[in-house]
Amino acid sequence: DQQVKQNSPSLSVQEGRISILNCDYTNSMFDYFLWYKKYPAEGPTFLISISSIKDKNEDGRFTVFLNKSAKHLSLHIVPSQPGDSAVYFCAASDMGNQFYFGTGTSLTVIP
Amino acid sequence: DTEVTQTPKHLVMGMTNKKSLKCEQHMGHRAMYWYKQKAKKPPELMFVYSYEKLSINESVPSRFSPECPNSSLLNLHLHALQPEDSALYLCASSQEFHREAFFGQGTRLTVV
Repeated sequence: DQQVKQNSPSLSVQEGRISILNCDYTNSMFDYFLWYKKYPAEGPTFLISISSIKDKNEDGRFTVFLNKSAKHLSLHIVPSQPGDSAVYFCAASDMGNQFYFGTGTSLTVIP
Repeated sequence: DTEVTQTPKHLVMGMTNKKSLKCEQHMGHRAMYWYKQKAKKPPELMFVYSYEKLSINESVPSRFSPECPNSSLLNLHLHALQPEDSALYLCASSQEFHREAFFGQGTRLTVV
């Protein structure tokens, strides 16, 4: 049972444009959400997180939006750069008890 | 120091071998994790240690045996593995349980 889903396996974006990666979840008990970036044969790198008490968190070029009623979060990267090309995983935690990664979206930023 | 160091980076072992994966962090993090990742799949949680005590064991076969000798070290002992256990094994640590985690580079394990 996949509680965190990323329905787009891949996404291609032109350099300088906005990349929007989406994530849906089913468990209303999730209270903390994270985005990780992963290059091949490396461990994931933490990017940005958001608590369920917020609807937006921004860190430089990265912004995460949370829509609790829709059980949906998204990661916006603007402007996109070729070095952003990687697999992006969203993840969710329910009060620290359980932790789930999404299925991942492979982002390609075209120079 | 914001690194999680895993050794070895690559490991090839036979099905009758015994080997260990090692993980080290010096960030004072209280939680440490082992994950398994197969190609094109998300990481799957295997074990969680909190304050050096095993708190979650996600129904992992007994051929995988974790050990936390101290707050900075985490080992994963492997014995009698199967070829389907071949994967990238990731160690991670975090200050708070299931919050922002730092991951190591992983050990690419091949069971032959």
